[in-house]
Amino acid sequence: AQSVAQPEDQVNVAEGNPLTVKCTYSVSGNPYLFWYVQYPNRGLQFLLKYITGDNLVKGSYGFEAEFNKSQTSFHLKKPSALVSDSALYFCAVREASGTYKYIFGTGTRLKVLA
Amino acid sequence: DTEVTQTPKHLVMGMTNKKSLKCEQHMGHRAMYWYKQKAKKPPELMFVYSYEKLSINESVPSRFSPECPNSSLLNLHLHALQPEDSALYLCASSRGTRSEGSSYEQYFGPGTRLTVT
Repeated sequence: AQSVAQPEDQVNVAEGNPLTVKCTYSVSGNPYLFWYVQYPNRGLQFLLKYITGDNLVKGSYGFEAEFNKSQTSFHLKKPSALVSDSALYFCAVREASGTYKYIFGTGTRLKVLA
Repeated sequence: DTEVTQTPKHLVMGMTNKKSLKCEQHMGHRAMYWYKQKAKKPPELMFVYSYEKLSINESVPSRFSPECPNSSLLNLHLHALQPEDSALYLCASSRGTRSEGSSYEQYFGPGTRLTVT
């Protein structure tokens, strides 16, 4: 069965510092991996994805994520955090050869402190 | 245009009411989804339509009835809801599996905030 884990409910980081939001996954085949961000009372917004190829993927707003197959991880990173990055972040996975079913992690609240 | 629109933004309904949520996209996506999201929780998949046919029903109670009139529109009909059904209802779309090179990221609408009284 597919699963996604986001081990941190909340991550606090000072503005200007690098940030990391962690995600690990479990799928039976090759994964498609995604990061989404949600601001209060809004829908989810797609940030980036890993499908195949380079393990470091770049996305919107300066975010990037590193796919690590051996550790089954897909951590979200940004070199320099902004206060406006404060939001709820979801990691999601679906099997490359599967159906339309996406599994979301429980979410990590990112707080960037000025 | 990467926009998914949802109407209404807010809905308050009694337990005996019948109402509908609407979702529209014009990205040519052939998969459309309904999710339910409680506060500070991840979205929970309810239904998936693929090429206008119901592909996934996550054992959702029959008081929720989805409809996909065409490839751009998705409705969710509500009847005899319970207070615990109060939540943010999100619509999403993605390319269909028959699309070449498709990687299936989902595009979400802003949601309908539903309150059942």
